[in-house]
Amino acid sequence: DAKTTQPPSMDCAEGRAANLPCNHSTISGNEYVYWYRQIHSQGPQYIIHGLKNNETNEMASLIITEDRKSSTLILPHATLRDTAVYYCIVRVEFSTDKLIFGTGTRLQVFP
Amino acid sequence: KAGVTQTPRYLIKTRGQQVTLSCSPISGHRSVSWYQQTPGQGLQFLFEYFSETQRNKGNFPGRFSGRQFSNSRSEMNVSTLELGDSALYLCASSGGMNTEAFFGQGTRLTVV
Repeated sequence: DAKTTQPPSMDCAEGRAANLPCNHSTISGNEYVYWYRQIHSQGPQYIIHGLKNNETNEMASLIITEDRKSSTLILPHATLRDTAVYYCIVRVEFSTDKLIFGTGTRLQVFP
Repeated sequence: KAGVTQTPRYLIKTRGQQVTLSCSPISGHRSVSWYQQTPGQGLQFLFEYFSETQRNKGNFPGRFSGRQFSNSRSEMNVSTLELGDSALYLCASSGGMNTEAFFGQGTRLTVV
């Protein structure tokens, strides 16, 4: 079973920041938080990952709480092309690339 | 560099037949994983290969099998197809521990 909980859907106005929350209260000390997104019928696309520090790349920022029980993915200026299902994933084991996907958050960006 | 390539993109098979799907990982990646995506069950892990060895397996029946070749290319096979096997099958490759996995565009299998 997935170790994360996400809201099923969210809306965001184009040009505004999209903040997608994720709860992972049972995360272990050596488990990373990964975010992927899937645009309709395409393969999931990697966005960002982190262990305990906040991370930023050209696509998004990842804020992880100090107790690591939750995190937030931030898309600073959402566009219509960011409409997708966003998955928050906790890597199950250190020595495997296995990903356990939950149901994700369907983000709808509107004009 | 080229991404993960899956072939074929679309496939229609009849119940009882078998099917083989192919995945070519990103050059230099030695880890390949397979996933099944259906509307009802979402994205589910099938299996993972690293250096020609199966490293992990999901909760699927023995009709689902896979292998990895010395050049890291991977194939998965589904025998005795059932209607419920209709799905998008996704392959992902990774360059190492705790690095991101890159997904292909998938093979959409329809069983009739």
